[in-house]
Amino acid sequence: NAGVTQTPKFRVLKTGQSMTLLCAQDMNHEYMYWYRQDPGMGLRLIHYSVGEGTTAKGEVPDGYNVSRLKKQNFLLGLESAAPSQTSVYFCASSAGSRQHFGDGTRLSIL
Amino acid sequence: AQSVTQLDSQVPVFEEAPVELRCNYSSSVSVYLFWYVQYPNQGLQLLLKYLSGSTLVKGINGFEAEFNKSQTSFHLRKPSVHISDTAEYFCAVSDNQGGKLIFGQGTELSVKP
Repeated sequence: NAGVTQTPKFRVLKTGQSMTLLCAQDMNHEYMYWYRQDPGMGLRLIHYSVGEGTTAKGEVPDGYNVSRLKKQNFLLGLESAAPSQTSVYFCASSAGSRQHFGDGTRLSIL
Repeated sequence: AQSVTQLDSQVPVFEEAPVELRCNYSSSVSVYLFWYVQYPNQGLQLLLKYLSGSTLVKGINGFEAEFNKSQTSFHLRKPSVHISDTAEYFCAVSDNQGGKLIFGQGTELSVKP
């Protein structure tokens, strides 16, 4: 009964490096979301997807790309990491009004 | 555009005391309102939601919230808190039942013995 699984859980990058965060859900949900959480700012939506093969921009999409090639997976990419992208990243999925969240990925950019 | 304001960033309270966490929203369309809780080093869990119907909504762990359209508020209450309620609480709004959420800044509830 995994729900939403995020990998990796922690990562340290150098400025300019690239990486991909993986989100996998086993609930057959259509909707998937990527948020970032920063102190005092709550969660802000980066990108989201309403179904396999679709993606859309959220509030803070700059510097990120996403792909939803399979219904169960939603990938978040950083092409050239910047210190401002140091954050905790959460993935969520939903089929209705309730969103189910993963445990987060702590990402530090040096 | 929608927005959410949580009026208190931190709320310290003693065990068994009542608590209210305040949330105001702005929206030009119909709203759906949510409260989520985040325990340390975990993701968010849904506490309760208002979609339609009764304005008093009951959630898990003894929490409840009241939707007040005239005051554009959705405050969260619990009559008697426990140490285990120590967590960060987020109010969120959506313009449709299955859509993306706009979160408030969060309120850190600290329950002291």
